[in-house]
Amino acid sequence: DAKTTQPNSMESNEEEPVHLPCNHSTISGTDYIHWYRQLPSQGPEYVIHGLTSNVNNRMASLAIAEDRKSSTLILHRATLRDAAVYYCILRDGAGGGADGLTFGKGTHLIIQP
Amino acid sequence: NAGVMQNPRHLVRRRGQEARLRCSPMKGHSHVYWYRQLPEEGLKFMVYLQKENIIDESGMPKERFSAEFPKEGPSILRIQQVVRGDSAAYFCASSPRHNLNTEAFFGQGTRLTVV
Repeated sequence: DAKTTQPNSMESNEEEPVHLPCNHSTISGTDYIHWYRQLPSQGPEYVIHGLTSNVNNRMASLAIAEDRKSSTLILHRATLRDAAVYYCILRDGAGGGADGLTFGKGTHLIIQP
Repeated sequence: NAGVMQNPRHLVRRRGQEARLRCSPMKGHSHVYWYRQLPEEGLKFMVYLQKENIIDESGMPKERFSAEFPKEGPSILRIQQVVRGDSAAYFCASSPRHNLNTEAFFGQGTRLTVV
């Protein structure tokens, strides 16, 4: 499976934008970039996904580099409820897990009031 | 439309007992995935099932663990003769389709404690 690299942790202030980076230099042409987050003591929650173009939804925006070797999850106005571990995942149909998601360690996002 | 339902939320078993974890996917979802999260670690894929079939069990321990998704009823993850190392959170996810462009919906998990 293609791997992703994320910072272990990031800190931001409430009501400010947050940019969470993800490097995936070995991404293949058919890999989708998915983001999930996991709040404390809860199951993972889907955030957003994309292939080549930038994507927006009610939760966040996903900015994908032109060469697709990196992407950035953007929370436009962070709240305390956004404090979670954020996972950047490549859905690789050619790898193991039969398209099961491969979670790394993610980025622990800390929001300061 | 209820989300993915897992029960029980918490399960305590003594070493050597059996643990049965249940997962009811979202309505209309026929693809189920099980993951395990050890304390302070990330989620690890265990098994992918479609109704009545195991599609990929490459993440399942070779012994003591089994999974099923019958035609009727929830998916079951079964752990026989539990040991302390099985203590973890077990999450189930479901999706309506099996392709790269589909999100997965997760349950709240079952936290298994082996004493």
